[in-house]
Amino acid sequence: NAGVTQTPKFQVLKTGQSMTLQCAQDMNHNSMYWYRQDPGMGLRLIYYSASEGTTDKGEVPNGYNVSRLNKREFSLRLESAAPSQTSVYFCASGTGSEKLFFGSGTQLSVL
Amino acid sequence: GEDVEQSLFLSVREGDSSVINCTYTDSSSTYLYWYKQEPGAGLQLLTYIFSNMDMKQDQRLTVLLNKKDKHLSLRIADTQTGDSAIYFCAESITGGYNKLIFGAGTRLAVHP
Repeated sequence: NAGVTQTPKFQVLKTGQSMTLQCAQDMNHNSMYWYRQDPGMGLRLIYYSASEGTTDKGEVPNGYNVSRLNKREFSLRLESAAPSQTSVYFCASGTGSEKLFFGSGTQLSVL
Repeated sequence: GEDVEQSLFLSVREGDSSVINCTYTDSSSTYLYWYKQEPGAGLQLLTYIFSNMDMKQDQRLTVLLNKKDKHLSLRIADTQTGDSAIYFCAESITGGYNKLIFGAGTRLAVHP
């Protein structure tokens, strides 16, 4: 059972480079989320998509864009990476009661 | 504002009980959750409690909720080395959409 699949698992970027983090879920969930996890802090919501065709900003959206390509896929794009975006990124999907299922994370370093 | 606080570290001996505590600020929380994160992995939902409940037991896990004090705890009975992980408390906030607010996580270390 795949659940929530994220790619890549690791990435190193130079300041100013762009990249897209991919996420796919096979649980037929309507809601999908992108979080970032920084040391000593809880997970912070970047963007979410309540249903296919909709996206909304979370707590820390600056510097990111998202695309809900279809019900399964929700991608996160960094247009011009900055060192402050060094973090671990988690994609999640959920049911209406918001019990979230998480991917295994992408560790991103921006030099 | 919305805030969830946890102590950052707990060390227990194998076989003892572990108690991880959490406080939250939003009285309108509908659900409160405990997630577990093992090294190199995503968060895994351990258990959750609805805000109108006081206690929930699930095998070795007991969740206690004190709504008056906005205090949530997770007790793990007979703690094993496989329980070593980071445990996150989270509250569910409704208001346009369901949003989870996470604490910073408690790292549980189990030693022989």
